[in-house]
Amino acid sequence: GNSVTQMEGPVTLSEEAFLTINCTYTATGYPSLFWYVQYPGEGLQLLLKATKADDKGSNKGFEATYRKETTSFHLEKGSVQVSDSAVYFCALSGSLRYSGGGADGLTFGKGTHLIIQP
Amino acid sequence: NAGVTQTPKFQVLKTGQSMTLQCAQDMNHEYMSWYRQDPGMGLRLIHYSVGAGITDQGEVPNGYNVSRSTTEDFPLRLLSAAPSQTSVYFCASSYSRTLLGGNTIYFGEGSWLTVV
Repeated sequence: GNSVTQMEGPVTLSEEAFLTINCTYTATGYPSLFWYVQYPGEGLQLLLKATKADDKGSNKGFEATYRKETTSFHLEKGSVQVSDSAVYFCALSGSLRYSGGGADGLTFGKGTHLIIQP
Repeated sequence: NAGVTQTPKFQVLKTGQSMTLQCAQDMNHEYMSWYRQDPGMGLRLIHYSVGAGITDQGEVPNGYNVSRSTTEDFPLRLLSAAPSQTSVYFCASSYSRTLLGGNTIYFGEGSWLTVV
């Protein structure tokens, strides 16, 4: 079945540091890949996505490249800010095994708690 | 355009009580789903629906019921609350049941439920 593995943290960095959050996946077929962000006390927001190999998703200074050869979708940002402190979830889309192929769903990693110190 | 709206945001229940978490979307989305989020577990799918009158079980359906009488609404019912159901619940919707091409799932703001 599908699975997503990401570093769980917490990851603590100083402001303006370079950020990498690793994400690797196992999937059948050609899933789309996503990063979601959850700020304290809030819901999930889509941060970026990539739909095919070598696609690069980007938003708010964050980037991630869909690497099929390494089954990875690592999240990067060149200079983090205190406001980036949040939990980041890597996810992939795929056929729900419970539905006989009639619908897709998201498989999530466990989330990475990022703390940025001033 | 409100997106995906969940109520209540916070709820405390006693063991054995029942309650309904409400979810509504105003984007005419075909696909709606409920996830629960637990520490160190990520999000796990409880139930989903691909249209009015059609529902199906996800990864962790036990203890929950759903119905989809309209396109807009997808309530989640806890039949007899247990402490193991203490969690954050997210409703989500998408235009299509198929996520190929990066069709996006939109999430509500979450409902924090504590069962004592």
